[in-house]
Amino acid sequence: NAGVTQTPKFQVLKTGQSMTLQCAQDMNHNSMYWYRQDPGMGLRLIYYSASEGTTDKGEVPNGYNVSRLNKREFSLRLESAAPSQTSVYFCASSEALPADTQYFGPGTRLTVL
Amino acid sequence: GEDVEQSLFLSVREGDSSVINCTYTDSSSTYLYWYKQEPGAGLQLLTYIFSNMDMKQDQRLTVLLNKKDKHLSLRIADTQTGDSAIYFCAETDSGYSTLTFGKGTMLLVSP
Repeated sequence: NAGVTQTPKFQVLKTGQSMTLQCAQDMNHNSMYWYRQDPGMGLRLIYYSASEGTTDKGEVPNGYNVSRLNKREFSLRLESAAPSQTSVYFCASSEALPADTQYFGPGTRLTVL
Repeated sequence: GEDVEQSLFLSVREGDSSVINCTYTDSSSTYLYWYKQEPGAGLQLLTYIFSNMDMKQDQRLTVLLNKKDKHLSLRIADTQTGDSAIYFCAETDSGYSTLTFGKGTMLLVSP
């Protein structure tokens, strides 16, 4: 089992460019999450998907869109990147809602110039 | 909304006990968690406690919950240099659909 995988590991964008961060899990989990981690801010939830076919906003959804492509995959899209979106992005999954353990991917380090 | 507060930094010597503290605001929280993040990695669950418990012990880890004061602590006995990491406290929201994380406590263990 690979667990939760994320691609790419690193990315540099120019302001206004778009990109999609990919996340996949092989644990047959129902719920998936996208977080961003910034120095001094901890982890903040961007979007989550409680089950296949549903998505909901978290604490900081502005500037992002998500797609729950199937049970395994949950992507995060930045349509027009801004320097304020420079961060480390983590994907996580859990069997059900967060009362179950969340398993985290290794993260994507994104820099927007 | 929910808010989770932690001290930002703790430094201990190898072999000592470490105590990391956390306060939370959501009185309806049912589960409270401790996650560990090593440099360059994602978060890993260390342990969790159900809100009807006062204490949970798991090998070197002891979690204490004071529900009246909304205070959670993580004690690491015989702290090792490999315990150096950032430790996050987290609570469920009232609908159990998301977690709210604290800002994390960086634990530095010196030889």
